[in-house]
Amino acid sequence: TQLLEQSPQFLSIQEGENLTVYCNSSSVFSSLQWYRQEPGEGPVLLVTVVTGGEVKKLKRLTFQFGDARKDSSLHITAAQPGDTGLYLCAGTYNTDKLIFGTGTRLQVFP
Amino acid sequence: DTGVSQDPRHKITKRGQNVTFRCDPISEHNRLYWYRQTLGQGPEFLTYFQNEAQLEKSRLLSDRFSAERPKGSFSTLEIQRTEQGDSAMYLCASSLGVVMETQYFGPGTRLLVL
Repeated sequence: TQLLEQSPQFLSIQEGENLTVYCNSSSVFSSLQWYRQEPGEGPVLLVTVVTGGEVKKLKRLTFQFGDARKDSSLHITAAQPGDTGLYLCAGTYNTDKLIFGTGTRLQVFP
Repeated sequence: DTGVSQDPRHKITKRGQNVTFRCDPISEHNRLYWYRQTLGQGPEFLTYFQNEAQLEKSRLLSDRFSAERPKGSFSTLEIQRTEQGDSAMYLCASSLGVVMETQYFGPGTRLLVL
């Protein structure tokens, strides 16, 4: 059974601070995706990474895929209240079904 | 708007009742997925279709659950004899069907079983 563990589970910070969320597995991913989900809504895709060591940037968000394709991180620079939400990593393992992580709930206070 | 739509958005039912949810995928998306998300957790895969064929079912999908996609377009998920443990958000996603293609999620149906 593939498991994705995310840390931290909860994060509460002030506007302007930086933060990093981690996603780890004992298995090698075919691909890994990061989603953000707001209350009462479905997850919205932020990024997909497929190559070990890959780094992608989306404005203030930086996503990194581990060299061994077993872990990933999401770094947010100068967090804003609009970044508040549930951040989910999800991996695929030679199939198209997504295996989601446990999620990191981020709260950014003004 | 041509995103994934789900109906109803909310459903409250009594234990033992049957419920049915509908998902309309993005037009021309061949693959359709169902996931379940309980409070404070990430979504868990339930099943998926390639056109009208159901290709994989999770062990989470007990005999009380059935999903269909009769014409390869919309899909329904039925839960028979609901239990309180079925209370969750049921999410539908669709994709073009190319390997590792992005899955686009609908807003979900939140089920509460009393």
